[in-house]
Amino acid sequence: DAGVIQSPRHEVTEMGQEVTLRCKPISGHNSLFWYRQTMMRGLELLIYFNNNVPIDDSGMPEDRFSAKMPNASFSTLKIQPSEPRDSAVYFCASSLRQEPDTQYFGPGTRLTVL
Amino acid sequence: SQQGEEDPQALSIQEGENATMNCSYKTSINNLQWYRQNSGRGLVHLILIRSNEREKHSGRLRVTLDTSKKSSSLLITASRAADTASYFCATDAEQGAQKLVFGQGTRLTINP
Repeated sequence: DAGVIQSPRHEVTEMGQEVTLRCKPISGHNSLFWYRQTMMRGLELLIYFNNNVPIDDSGMPEDRFSAKMPNASFSTLKIQPSEPRDSAVYFCASSLRQEPDTQYFGPGTRLTVL
Repeated sequence: SQQGEEDPQALSIQEGENATMNCSYKTSINNLQWYRQNSGRGLVHLILIRSNEREKHSGRLRVTLDTSKKSSSLLITASRAADTASYFCATDAEQGAQKLVFGQGTRLTINP
């Protein structure tokens, strides 16, 4: 079975450019989570969706970040404009939205903003 | 905000020895989970313990939970080189909430 798929795996861009990260959750999962991981701040939840609807975006750092989930099999996280402090590994995870809920993580996208 | 805090931050032991990692959290929870992250990879779920459980086993893993002390421990017995990874505890951000809050992790190194 395919796990959570993220693309690209690595992204290097220059400050001010738009960055789009993509995620395909596990088929049948109805919750999707976006995380950011840095050495300084650890693993932070940015936003999560249930049945394609954003439930909690309180972790989104600022207006430069936006996330969409147009259907059950695809989500994007966009940063516009990007800044060097956005450099991090971004993870997507999905779950069945059960109690208790176990999350399945993708391999991550390593973003470097120069 | 509530967050699990792992202790120690880093642990280095010899292959075959047991490894113990601890996690403390701040508020009441329904569940506590442990995840493993190999270098350059995503997190993988290891084991979940409910608030009404005190101990749980899965293979070489043993998890304990003390809700009165708001702490949990993860024991890996008979460690192997392949156990080298970072280990994170995760708790529900609010009791019963779906979203999780992860600790900073313990980096475990198993020396052959």
